[in-house]
Amino acid sequence: QQQVKQSPQSLIVQKGGISIINCAYENTAFDYFPWYQQFPGKGPALLIAIRPDVSEKKEGRFTISFNKSAKQFSLHIMDSQPGDSATYFCAATPAGTYKYIFGTGTRLKVLA
Amino acid sequence: DTGVSQNPRHKITKRGQNVTFRCDPISEHNRLYWYRQTLGQGPEFLTYFQNEAQLEKSRLLSDRFSAERPKGSFSTLEIQRTEQGDSAMYLCASSLSLNEQFFGPGTRLTVL
Repeated sequence: QQQVKQSPQSLIVQKGGISIINCAYENTAFDYFPWYQQFPGKGPALLIAIRPDVSEKKEGRFTISFNKSAKQFSLHIMDSQPGDSATYFCAATPAGTYKYIFGTGTRLKVLA
Repeated sequence: DTGVSQNPRHKITKRGQNVTFRCDPISEHNRLYWYRQTLGQGPEFLTYFQNEAQLEKSRLLSDRFSAERPKGSFSTLEIQRTEQGDSAMYLCASSLSLNEQFFGPGTRLTVL
């Protein structure tokens, strides 16, 4: 069964700290790994994405680290701000398809 | 605003009634996706279109669900004989490039 496991379920970080969210997958070839941010009552918005031929990608305060052999990828949010408080979803696209398989989400709260 | 739009934003219906949702994708996006999101969970893939062709359907899409995309523009998702378990946020997304999907704000369905 295609599945993406995400942890932690919730995370509290002080302002200026680093938020780290992890995802793992198994038994399926995925070829695209996006991270989405979702605020209450809104649809998910793309933050950053990576392909498996790259081990790290950075955009502003957001970095994806990808470990192909371990089938794990993570999102790092540097200098976390209260405005980053939202739910974050990792996702993966099975090779040969266009659909996303989403993780279960991480609710991040950044304390001022 | 040139983003993905969905109507209605909220729908309350009684069990057994039929409901229809509409999604207008970003202009010129040839792929359109439907997802369902329940509280505290990540979005689950339902179906996707490339232009007017429905190319993939999840096993979650029971025979009470039908989606169309006439002329490859807007799409409709109909649920017949609604059940309380259908209560969820129904998200639409569209894409032009290989993988990046842009999500609409969703339609929240409540079945009483």
